[in-house]
Amino acid sequence: DIVMTQSPDSLAVSLGERATINCKSSQTVLYTSNKKNYLAWYQQKPGQSPKLLIYWASTRESGVPDRFSGSGSGTDFTLTISSLQAEDVAVYYCHQYYSVPITFGQGTRLEIK
Amino acid sequence: QVQLVQSGAEVKQPGASVMVSCKASGHTFSNYGISWVRQAPGQGLEWLGWISLYNGKKTYAQKVQGRVSMITDTSTNTAYMELRSLRSDDTAVYFCARVEGENEHNRFDPWGQGTPVIVSS
Repeated sequence: DIVMTQSPDSLAVSLGERATINCKSSQTVLYTSNKKNYLAWYQQKPGQSPKLLIYWASTRESGVPDRFSGSGSGTDFTLTISSLQAEDVAVYYCHQYYSVPITFGQGTRLEIK
Repeated sequence: QVQLVQSGAEVKQPGASVMVSCKASGHTFSNYGISWVRQAPGQGLEWLGWISLYNGKKTYAQKVQGRVSMITDTSTNTAYMELRSLRSDDTAVYFCARVEGENEHNRFDPWGQGTPVIVSS
């Protein structure tokens, strides 16, 4: 199984500042034949279902604000929120869909400092 | 607009079975798959399995293999997940999510609203 490890577990950032969440996979999620990283990021607010933010490691889902961006390749990935807004308070999960079983990171709780 | 609407909350006794439904609207049902994911109270996300709406192919997580069944009804655009021999640690919110393409190797979008399942005597 591919183990997804996020860091940090929780993060407090001031409004307007940058937030960075890391995700490391125990094996590569880069499929060499199509050069795609099988990695997505989700946002989950309390009492809600997860919402897709980023897929293929760096493609922003339609309608997601451009302050959200994803980067990385192979085994190391980053979700960046360039200027934190109050509505960004949530738990964020990375997700590998490269191999079965599909696995998620443990989540990173983002709060306002 | 693509939407997945799940059935309501369930309370079950240990050893019983539960079936959760997931009705899709706003897209062609057969062009996608459905993954099922659960989230225990205060915990992260755990993938349970995937079913193709294209050809009925299924993949189950080893942890629930033998206790889970996933089926679809293309006439009503509805997917179902049944979990049998329920235990207290099956208490969780169960989500369905659409997976683009003909296999399980793609992003999950959108997600259903979630179905709480409580297993308690």
